[in-house]
Amino acid sequence: SQKIEQNSEALNIQEGKTATLTCNYTNYSPAYLQWYRQDPGRGPVFLLLIRENEKEKRKERLKVTFDTTLKQSLFHITASQPADSATYLCALEKVAGRRALTFGSGTRLQVQP
Amino acid sequence: SAVISQKPSRDICQRGTSLTIQCQVDSQVTMMFWYRQQPGQSLTLIATANQGSEATYESGFVIDKFPISRPNLTFSTLTVSNMSPEDSSIYLCSVEAVGGAGTDTQYFGPGTRLTVL
Repeated sequence: SQKIEQNSEALNIQEGKTATLTCNYTNYSPAYLQWYRQDPGRGPVFLLLIRENEKEKRKERLKVTFDTTLKQSLFHITASQPADSATYLCALEKVAGRRALTFGSGTRLQVQP
Repeated sequence: SAVISQKPSRDICQRGTSLTIQCQVDSQVTMMFWYRQQPGQSLTLIATANQGSEATYESGFVIDKFPISRPNLTFSTLTVSNMSPEDSSIYLCSVEAVGGAGTDTQYFGPGTRLTVL
């Protein structure tokens, strides 16, 4: 099954800057990759999905890239705000063709005003 | 989107006892999932529950320890049996997004925070 690596160290940035989070996976290339946001004491909330044949996906201030050669996805938040402070999780299909997800450990983002 | 509620939101239990967690969805869904999130860790899938069939458990999780019911398309329960302090965790249910087109996008409940003494 897939193994996912996300930077476990918190990312601290200044308001207005672009935050970039990394997700690396180690096994087969998945059909798609997802990003979720999790606030303390709450369940994850779906943000974006990118398919293997897509290089980039955007939604408002969010941008996701997907490099199947590097086995990596980058998640960008432009013009970051303190309200963007949360833990961001990367998720992939757990086993090829099976409808279940495996999650990375997440990266905590702290945006300073 | 789907709105998911869980009961209880939190509980403190004695070792050796069992707790049943309820998950209610505001729409009919085929697949429901149960996850565990231990302190500082990411989500680990416990099992997938489809209505009308036995739940499918992931490696390391067994039915005797985590029995699951799925009586209809809007409701499921997860029981944590014979609890030990190692079961202290947040338990989350989720459902597959309607029209997900095979993408497994999921909606999550708020979680149940369990502490076992």
